[in-house]
Amino acid sequence: TQLLEQSPQFLSIQEGENLTVYCNSSSVFSSLQWYRQEPGEGPVLLVTVVTGGEVKKLKRLTFQFGDARKDSSLHITAAQPGDTGLYLCAGASPFGGGSQGNLIFGKGTKLSVKP
Amino acid sequence: EAGVTQFPSHSVIEKGQTVTLRCDPISGHDNLYWYRRVMGKEIKFLLHFVKESKQDESGMPNNRFLAERTGGTYSTLKVQPAELEDSGVYFCASSQDLRDRGTGELFFGEGSRLTVL
Repeated sequence: TQLLEQSPQFLSIQEGENLTVYCNSSSVFSSLQWYRQEPGEGPVLLVTVVTGGEVKKLKRLTFQFGDARKDSSLHITAAQPGDTGLYLCAGASPFGGGSQGNLIFGKGTKLSVKP
Repeated sequence: EAGVTQFPSHSVIEKGQTVTLRCDPISGHDNLYWYRRVMGKEIKFLLHFVKESKQDESGMPNNRFLAERTGGTYSTLKVQPAELEDSGVYFCASSQDLRDRGTGELFFGEGSRLTVL
């Protein structure tokens, strides 16, 4: 069974601080996605990383896919209260049997940024 | 353009009763997915429709769950009879086919919260 372990589970920081969220697995993924979810809403896609070692930037957010495509990180620089939310990583298996969109999710990291 | 809509937003039923959840995907999206998040656990894949056909139903927990997508438009997920462990949030997502110049991005609905007492 493929699992994605996210850490930390909870993170409470002050505005302006930097943070990193990790997503680790013993399994290889063909791609990995990061989502953000607000209370009462569904997850919203932030980025998809596909190539081992790939780095993508989205304003103050930097996403990295591990060389072996087993892990990923999300780094936020100078966090703001508007960054508060649940961050989820989700991997797509490279092996046959699963359909496109059959994603394996981590449990999520609940981020709170205080002004 | 309307996003993925789900109904009801919250349903409270007693063990043994039946509940039907509905999902309307984004217009033109052939792919429709059902996911579920049980309290304290991760979001888990249930099944995938391509138009009206079940492409992958490997995540369906048991035969108390029945998903349909007649006509390839909206989908329903029926739980009959409901058990306590079925409580959770059921998410629907849709995506455009890659051959239709889609990116494969999943667009999620707000979810239907099911509480079984």
